[in-house]
Amino acid sequence: EVQLVESGGGLVQPGGSLRLSCAASGFTFSSYAMHWVRQAPGKGLEYVSAISSNGGSTYYANSVKGRFTISRDNSKNTLYLQMGSLRAEDMAVYYCARDFDGSGSYDYWGQGTLVTVSS
Amino acid sequence: QSALTQPPSASGSPGQSVTISCTGTSSDVGGYNYVSWYQQHPGKAPKLMIYEVSKRPSGVPDRFSGSKSGNTASLTVSGLQAEDEADYYCSSYAGSNNFPYVFGTGTKVTVL
Repeated sequence: EVQLVESGGGLVQPGGSLRLSCAASGFTFSSYAMHWVRQAPGKGLEYVSAISSNGGSTYYANSVKGRFTISRDNSKNTLYLQMGSLRAEDMAVYYCARDFDGSGSYDYWGQGTLVTVSS
Repeated sequence: QSALTQPPSASGSPGQSVTISCTGTSSDVGGYNYVSWYQQHPGKAPKLMIYEVSKRPSGVPDRFSGSKSGNTASLTVSGLQAEDEADYYCSSYAGSNNFPYVFGTGTKVTVL
């Protein structure tokens, strides 16, 4: 059974940092591109970042470029999102998702982890 | 990358059909056959309903269908059921842009 389990969310002050993790199981993690998608309270879905299956290519939404870093450890079947210089507008539920066909179509999602940015 | 445009809301009675549009540009929806649709119930993660414009993942009822014409994709839900009440989001691949993925603005479907 495919599972994606996010962790690392919580309360952080503006300007602070946080690292999210996404533990994958039930499939060959190293064969799939992985993405982070977020959803602010009461708002729509927003792409945050993407990483290729071998980690060689990464993409960032303009809203997080220069502040967030996506990475993966295929030996640990884990996806990461290092978030820095956090702002109020970064507050959201962060989902990791498996890109099954390389086009940004996600067949599996995690349950999400909430990041709250507040002083 | 600008979000794809969806109507904020749509509704229908049980048994009826509802169609949701998703309008982009020739750089995303119109340029690739990589449009997906997701269903999201409150407090839940999104669920893939349609991929590659019109393909259904295993387990998705055939009441859900997708199509595309030019820069606009559409999701049709036929034979509406109470459990279809949810938010629906389209997404599209956008090629070799700096960030080649874009979501739609989302549509709240209400079953009357």
